[in-house]
Amino acid sequence: GIQVEQSPPDLILQEGANSTLRCNFSDSVNNLQWFHQNPWGQLINLFYIPSGTKQNGRLSATTVATERYSLLYISSSQTTDSGVYFCAGGYNFNKFYFGSGTKLNVKP
Amino acid sequence: DADVTQTPRNRITKTGKRIMLECSQTKGHDRMYWYRQDPGLGLRLIYYSFDVKDINKGEISDGYSVSRQAQAKFSLSLESAIPNQTALYFCATSDFSDQPQHFGDGTRLSIL
Repeated sequence: GIQVEQSPPDLILQEGANSTLRCNFSDSVNNLQWFHQNPWGQLINLFYIPSGTKQNGRLSATTVATERYSLLYISSSQTTDSGVYFCAGGYNFNKFYFGSGTKLNVKP
Repeated sequence: DADVTQTPRNRITKTGKRIMLECSQTKGHDRMYWYRQDPGLGLRLIYYSFDVKDINKGEISDGYSVSRQAQAKFSLSLESAIPNQTALYFCATSDFSDQPQHFGDGTRLSIL
């Protein structure tokens, strides 16, 4: 299967700081999503981004499909941004693979 | 109401019991999926279904079975539960292969 590597595995930020999370894929994908898992375990869909750049408020994401990586940018972080961020990708959702996540802790 | 509903939300049961987790959706999507998440890890695909007559094994299907009763309903069964099946289980749906997946809130399953 496709290997999905996320970095960093853990991240501690002071409120207001910016951060970049990275996701590398071992093979080409045509589906790619970023999720935020909140402390209650719910998975929140942040971006569907198989290629290109998207922005939603303080969050933005960029995928460079030819180089098999994606980046998630968080600007002006808030304590509510804490949780685990996952990227996942695959081909036509037949086989959809998740990374192990980046655990973010934003301190007030 | 949630678009993808999982029941139950929490379940504690004993080794050897038969368990059924249910998923229903109001999004009208043809594709449905079951995932499992172990602590500190990402999700892994158990089974997926592209329509009522099409069911496929995922990455970790051993010990599980599924039933697609209708377009809107997809159930996951553990025929004889064992402790290492203790995990958080998610159901998801999608429309086409180039559309995002939408997840339910998960079912926490503990097998003693």
